Amino acid sequence: DAGITQSPRYKITETGRQVTLMCHQTWSHSYMFWYRQDLGHGLRLIYYSAAADITDKGEVPDGYVVSRSKTENFPLTLESATRSQTSVYFCASSESGGRMQPQHFGDGTRLSIL
Amino acid sequence: ILNVEQSPQSLHVQEGDSTNFTCSFPSSNFYALHWYRWETAKSPEALFVMTLNGDEKKKGRISATLNTKEGYSYLYIKGSQPEDSATYLCAPHTGNQFYFGTGTSLTVIP
Repeated sequence: DAGITQSPRYKITETGRQVTLMCHQTWSHSYMFWYRQDLGHGLRLIYYSAAADITDKGEVPDGYVVSRSKTENFPLTLESATRSQTSVYFCASSESGGRMQPQHFGDGTRLSIL
Repeated sequence: ILNVEQSPQSLHVQEGDSTNFTCSFPSSNFYALHWYRWETAKSPEALFVMTLNGDEKKKGRISATLNTKEGYSYLYIKGSQPEDSATYLCAPHTGNQFYFGTGTSLTVIP
């Protein structure tokens, strides 16, 4: 089915482990985004990508790594997970034109770090 | 970091009432503002993309206005229905990225 999918939907891991959240979109959208959602905060941008091999930091990038070798995939890696990274993570994509185009969100990944 | 304020934080209205919410943001370096609707257990869904001062957008019973000079946008819902119950997010784009507000949670009581 066309759309944007995130995997896994739920993940529990331990402090210090590496974990990768996957995001895949079938629209060939240029832009992709990773957000985290925490109580008391709006969605906060972690990283975004304007095209394959182009990524840039958002508001809260520390502790995260992204890559975009293919247009359709935008994985987010926590290299050494910490409890403060327990959150719900949303991936989104938008067409070229960036801020002039609406973002389409995935269903989210709920990540718990023990 | 951009200070985006949405008010009220939550709102309960009766079915059939009309309502409105506010999104406030710094007016400098403004490029665009997005409104999203976020239903429980779903993902945010785009309502409007607004770019110009004085913009007005409408989608069914929902409409929005934008004032970039004073840094605010209003979202209006006419004749609220239970299916309008959701959290409404605004996200202005200034500088180089979007900043989302914490949203207004609307509950429409049948």
